[in-house]
Amino acid sequence: SQTIHQWPATLVQPVGSPLSLECTVEGTSNPNLYWYRQAAGRGLQLLFYSVGIGQISSEVPQNLSASRPQDRQFILSSKKLLLSDSGFYLCAWSATASTDTQYFGPGTRLTVL
Amino acid sequence: GQQVMQIPQYQHVQEGEDFTTYCNSSTTLSNIQWYKQRPGGHPVFLIQLVKSGEVKKQKRLTFQFGEAKKNSSLHITATQTTDVGTYFCAGPGWNYGGSQGNLIFGKGTKLSVKP
Repeated sequence: SQTIHQWPATLVQPVGSPLSLECTVEGTSNPNLYWYRQAAGRGLQLLFYSVGIGQISSEVPQNLSASRPQDRQFILSSKKLLLSDSGFYLCAWSATASTDTQYFGPGTRLTVL
Repeated sequence: GQQVMQIPQYQHVQEGEDFTTYCNSSTTLSNIQWYKQRPGGHPVFLIQLVKSGEVKKQKRLTFQFGEAKKNSSLHITATQTTDVGTYFCAGPGWNYGGSQGNLIFGKGTKLSVKP
């Protein structure tokens, strides 16, 4: 069966520090991968999605970036965090079609101070 | 742009009361999906509806897809405290070229249940 991992689970970072969040998927090949951000009590904001290695599409311009160095690895990064980057970051995967059911990881709760 | 809207944003019910959340799309959907996010957790897929007028049940949960495939509803009968969470609907978006794009999620309905 497929599983999706995210780490760390919780992170507290100072403003201006770098960020690296990692997501890995097991049990499937060539998945579509997604990064979402969820502000407290709010909906899901799609940040990036990837249909294959090295292929990244950005939905919202901001100081975040994403990379997919391996088929089942998706990384979210920032060179300098802003206060507004605080939130709950969720990684998700789906089968080939972008409209397929999405399966979410446990998430990383990021607080920028 | 294409939107998926959900109402209400919040719903507080007494345990045992029924609950309904509504989802409306600005465009026709090929399918509608529903997810549940427990407090502090991540969204979990509940169900997908594909056919016009489709009705599916999962125990106390009833899901409907409208005849025009632009709206959907989730109804919970006799809510329990385990139903607490945020319920999201999601439908495929459309790219400018006419192909289907990524899922567009509604903003969710947050359900609280008073014992």
